[in-house]
Amino acid sequence: DAEITQSPRHKITETGRQVTLACHQTWNHNNMFWYRQDLGHGLRLIHYSYGVHDTNKGEVSDGYSVSRSNTEDLPLTLESAASSQTSVYFCASSEERRPLLYGYTFGSGTRLTVV
Amino acid sequence: AQSVAQPEDQVNVAEGNPLTVKCTYSVSGNPYLFWYVQYPNRGLQFLLKYITGDNLVKGSYGFEAEFNKSQTSFHLKKPSALVSDSALYFCAVSGFYYGGSQGNLIFGKGTKLSVKP
Repeated sequence: DAEITQSPRHKITETGRQVTLACHQTWNHNNMFWYRQDLGHGLRLIHYSYGVHDTNKGEVSDGYSVSRSNTEDLPLTLESAASSQTSVYFCASSEERRPLLYGYTFGSGTRLTVV
Repeated sequence: AQSVAQPEDQVNVAEGNPLTVKCTYSVSGNPYLFWYVQYPNRGLQFLLKYITGDNLVKGSYGFEAEFNKSQTSFHLKKPSALVSDSALYFCAVSGFYYGGSQGNLIFGKGTKLSVKP
Protein backbone atom coordinates (compact mmCIF):
# COMPACT_ATOMS: atom_id res chain seq x y z
CA ASP A 1 0.00 0.00 0.00
CA ALA A 2 1.07 3.54 -0.71
CA GLU A 3 2.11 5.55 2.31
CA ILE A 4 3.85 8.65 3.56
CA THR A 5 6.51 8.12 6.21
CA GLN A 6 8.42 10.54 8.37
CA SER A 7 11.64 9.91 10.21
CA PRO A 8 12.69 10.10 12.90
CA ARG A 9 9.54 10.00 15.05
CA HIS A 10 11.33 11.78 17.87
CA LYS A 11 14.47 13.90 17.84
CA ILE A 12 16.32 15.86 20.51
CA THR A 13 18.99 18.23 19.31
CA GLU A 14 21.08 21.07 20.65
CA THR A 15 20.73 24.73 19.80
CA GLY A 16 22.76 25.68 16.77
CA ARG A 17 22.95 22.23 15.21
CA GLN A 18 21.74 21.47 11.73
CA VAL A 19 18.87 18.98 11.67
CA THR A 20 17.16 17.25 8.77
CA LEU A 21 13.74 15.67 8.99
CA ALA A 22 12.85 13.13 6.33
CA CYS A 23 9.59 12.71 4.46
CA HIS A 24 9.07 9.93 1.93
CA GLN A 25 5.86 9.18 0.05
CA THR A 26 5.02 6.34 -2.30
CA TRP A 27 1.76 7.85 -3.57
CA ASN A 28 3.56 9.38 -6.55
CA HIS A 29 2.07 12.73 -5.55
CA ASN A 30 3.49 15.83 -7.16
CA ASN A 31 2.61 18.12 -4.25
CA MET A 32 4.32 17.90 -0.87
CA PHE A 33 4.06 20.12 2.19
CA TRP A 34 5.72 20.66 5.55
CA TYR A 35 3.73 21.98 8.52
CA ARG A 36 4.53 22.61 12.13
CA GLN A 37 1.93 22.14 14.84
CA ASP A 38 2.01 24.24 17.97
CA LEU A 39 -0.53 24.74 20.71
CA GLY A 40 -2.67 27.76 19.97
CA HIS A 41 -1.46 28.02 16.40
CA GLY A 42 -2.78 24.87 14.79
CA LEU A 43 -0.96 23.90 11.62
CA ARG A 44 1.30 26.42 9.95
CA LEU A 45 2.81 25.91 6.53
CA ILE A 46 6.62 25.98 6.39
CA HIS A 47 7.51 25.05 2.81
CA TYR A 48 5.84 23.31 -0.07
CA SER A 49 6.68 21.83 -3.44
CA TYR A 50 4.59 21.25 -6.55
CA GLY A 51 7.12 18.98 -8.23
CA VAL A 52 10.77 18.06 -8.70
CA HIS A 53 13.08 21.05 -8.30
CA ASP A 54 10.14 23.26 -7.27
CA THR A 55 10.13 24.69 -3.72
CA ASN A 56 8.18 27.56 -2.19
CA LYS A 57 8.13 29.37 1.13
CA GLY A 58 5.13 29.13 3.37
CA GLU A 59 3.90 31.19 6.27
CA VAL A 60 6.75 30.37 8.69
CA SER A 61 9.76 29.53 6.51
CA ASP A 62 12.50 31.48 8.33
CA GLY A 63 15.22 29.11 9.58
CA TYR A 64 14.02 26.22 7.40
CA SER A 65 14.90 24.97 3.93
CA VAL A 66 13.77 22.16 1.63
CA SER A 67 14.95 20.60 -1.59
CA ARG A 68 13.10 18.34 -4.02
CA SER A 69 15.38 16.14 -6.11
CA ASN A 70 12.82 13.41 -6.79
CA THR A 71 9.07 12.88 -6.54
CA GLU A 72 9.18 10.76 -3.39
CA ASP A 73 11.17 12.89 -0.95
CA LEU A 74 10.99 16.36 0.57
CA PRO A 75 13.51 16.65 3.43
CA LEU A 76 13.16 19.59 5.79
CA THR A 77 16.39 21.13 7.10
CA LEU A 78 16.75 23.38 10.11
CA GLU A 79 19.94 25.27 9.33
CA SER A 80 20.74 26.21 12.94
CA ALA A 81 18.22 24.82 15.37
CA ALA A 82 16.62 27.23 17.85
CA SER A 83 14.45 26.55 20.88
CA SER A 84 11.57 28.28 19.08
CA GLN A 85 11.65 25.43 16.58
CA THR A 86 10.67 22.88 19.19
CA SER A 87 7.47 21.55 17.68
CA VAL A 88 5.73 18.66 16.01
CA TYR A 89 6.38 18.58 12.27
CA PHE A 90 4.04 17.04 9.75
CA CYS A 91 4.66 16.22 6.14
CA ALA A 92 1.74 15.93 3.72
CA SER A 93 1.22 15.18 0.06
CA SER A 94 -1.58 15.62 -2.41
CA GLU A 95 -2.40 14.41 -5.86
CA GLU A 96 -3.23 17.69 -7.46
CA ARG A 97 -3.38 21.35 -6.69
CA ARG A 98 -6.60 22.35 -8.39
CA PRO A 99 -9.23 21.35 -7.93
CA LEU A 100 -8.43 19.94 -4.53
CA LEU A 101 -10.63 16.89 -4.75
CA TYR A 102 -8.83 14.49 -2.49
CA GLY A 103 -7.31 16.62 0.24
CA TYR A 104 -3.95 15.87 1.76
CA THR A 105 -2.42 12.66 3.07
CA PHE A 106 -0.42 13.21 6.25
CA GLY A 107 2.56 11.47 7.79
CA SER A 108 2.59 10.52 11.47
CA GLY A 109 4.76 13.44 12.46
CA THR A 110 8.19 14.11 13.97
CA ARG A 111 8.44 15.53 17.46
CA LEU A 112 11.51 17.76 17.59
CA THR A 113 12.93 19.15 20.82
CA VAL A 114 15.70 21.73 20.70
CA VAL A 115 17.59 22.06 23.98
CA ALA B 1 -6.91 36.16 1.54
CA GLN B 2 -8.21 32.77 2.55
CA SER B 3 -8.82 32.08 6.20
CA VAL B 4 -10.65 29.66 8.42
CA ALA B 5 -11.76 30.09 12.01
CA GLN B 6 -12.67 27.57 14.65
CA PRO B 7 -14.14 29.70 17.43
CA GLU B 8 -14.01 27.04 20.15
CA ASP B 9 -10.73 25.71 21.53
CA GLN B 10 -12.59 22.87 23.23
CA VAL B 11 -16.01 21.26 23.05
CA ASN B 12 -17.28 19.00 25.83
CA VAL B 13 -20.10 16.57 25.17
CA ALA B 14 -21.65 13.68 27.06
CA GLU B 15 -21.62 10.32 25.32
CA GLY B 16 -24.82 9.75 23.37
CA ASN B 17 -25.52 13.46 22.94
CA PRO B 18 -25.25 15.24 19.61
CA LEU B 19 -22.08 17.19 18.94
CA THR B 20 -21.23 20.21 16.82
CA VAL B 21 -17.78 21.58 16.08
CA LYS B 22 -17.93 24.99 14.44
CA CYS B 23 -16.01 26.32 11.46
CA THR B 24 -16.32 29.52 9.46
CA TYR B 25 -14.29 30.43 6.43
CA SER B 26 -13.34 33.26 4.13
CA VAL B 27 -12.35 32.65 0.53
CA SER B 28 -12.89 34.33 -2.79
CA GLY B 29 -15.01 32.28 -5.08
CA ASN B 30 -16.32 28.84 -4.34
CA PRO B 31 -14.66 27.08 -1.41
CA TYR B 32 -13.33 23.58 -1.05
CA LEU B 33 -13.89 22.61 2.60
CA PHE B 34 -12.45 19.76 4.62
CA TRP B 35 -12.54 18.29 8.09
CA TYR B 36 -9.64 16.31 9.50
CA VAL B 37 -9.30 14.47 12.81
CA GLN B 38 -6.11 13.95 14.81
CA TYR B 39 -5.86 11.31 17.50
CA PRO B 40 -3.05 11.59 20.09
CA ASN B 41 0.42 11.08 18.64
CA ARG B 42 -0.97 10.54 15.16
CA GLY B 43 -1.11 12.46 11.92
CA LEU B 44 -4.25 14.08 10.56
CA GLN B 45 -6.85 11.82 9.02
CA PHE B 46 -9.38 12.91 6.41
CA LEU B 47 -13.01 12.89 7.63
CA LEU B 48 -15.05 14.53 4.90
CA LYS B 49 -15.10 17.26 2.30
CA TYR B 50 -17.43 19.63 0.49
CA ILE B 51 -16.65 20.42 -3.12
CA THR B 52 -20.04 21.04 -4.67
CA GLY B 53 -23.57 19.69 -4.61
CA ASP B 54 -25.63 18.74 -1.59
CA ASN B 55 -25.00 21.03 1.38
CA LEU B 56 -25.05 18.11 3.81
CA VAL B 57 -21.94 16.01 3.46
CA LYS B 58 -21.51 12.63 5.11
CA GLY B 59 -18.11 11.29 6.07
CA SER B 60 -16.26 8.69 8.09
CA TYR B 61 -17.25 7.40 11.55
CA GLY B 62 -20.80 8.77 11.33
CA PHE B 63 -19.75 12.40 11.03
CA GLU B 64 -21.46 14.87 8.74
CA ALA B 65 -21.04 18.54 7.98
CA GLU B 66 -23.37 21.20 6.70
CA PHE B 67 -22.20 23.79 4.21
CA ASN B 68 -23.95 27.13 4.61
CA LYS B 69 -22.90 29.60 1.97
CA SER B 70 -24.76 32.60 3.37
CA GLN B 71 -23.17 32.14 6.79
CA THR B 72 -19.83 30.98 5.33
CA SER B 73 -19.86 28.07 7.73
CA PHE B 74 -19.06 24.38 7.57
CA HIS B 75 -19.94 22.93 10.98
CA LEU B 76 -19.09 19.34 11.81
CA LYS B 77 -21.86 17.30 13.42
CA LYS B 78 -22.62 13.87 14.77
CA PRO B 79 -26.03 12.77 16.09
CA SER B 80 -24.67 10.65 18.93
CA ALA B 81 -21.15 11.15 20.30
CA LEU B 82 -18.86 8.32 21.36
CA VAL B 83 -16.02 8.45 23.87
CA SER B 84 -13.78 7.28 21.03
CA ASP B 85 -14.60 10.49 19.12
CA SER B 86 -12.44 12.42 21.58
CA ALA B 87 -9.70 13.97 19.46
CA LEU B 88 -8.51 17.18 17.87
CA TYR B 89 -10.54 18.34 14.86
CA PHE B 90 -9.30 20.64 12.14
CA CYS B 91 -11.30 22.50 9.54
CA ALA B 92 -9.51 23.46 6.31
CA VAL B 93 -10.37 25.52 3.24
CA SER B 94 -9.01 25.98 -0.23
CA GLY B 95 -10.09 28.25 -2.99
CA PHE B 96 -10.28 27.24 -6.60
CA TYR B 97 -7.68 29.27 -8.41
CA TYR B 98 -5.75 28.79 -11.58
CA GLY B 99 -2.37 29.70 -10.24
CA GLY B 100 -0.22 30.61 -7.29
CA SER B 101 -0.46 29.21 -3.80
CA GLN B 102 -4.15 29.92 -3.35
CA GLY B 103 -4.97 26.29 -3.99
CA ASN B 104 -3.18 25.21 -0.82
CA LEU B 105 -5.21 24.13 2.17
CA ILE B 106 -5.47 26.63 5.00
CA PHE B 107 -6.12 25.04 8.39
CA GLY B 108 -7.95 26.33 11.42
CA LYS B 109 -6.31 26.18 14.84
CA GLY B 110 -8.19 23.07 15.80
CA THR B 111 -10.91 22.21 18.32
CA LYS B 112 -10.37 19.63 21.01
CA LEU B 113 -13.44 17.43 21.39
CA SER B 114 -13.88 15.70 24.71
CA VAL B 115 -16.65 13.13 25.04
CA LYS B 116 -17.35 11.96 28.59
CA PRO B 117 -19.06 8.69 29.47
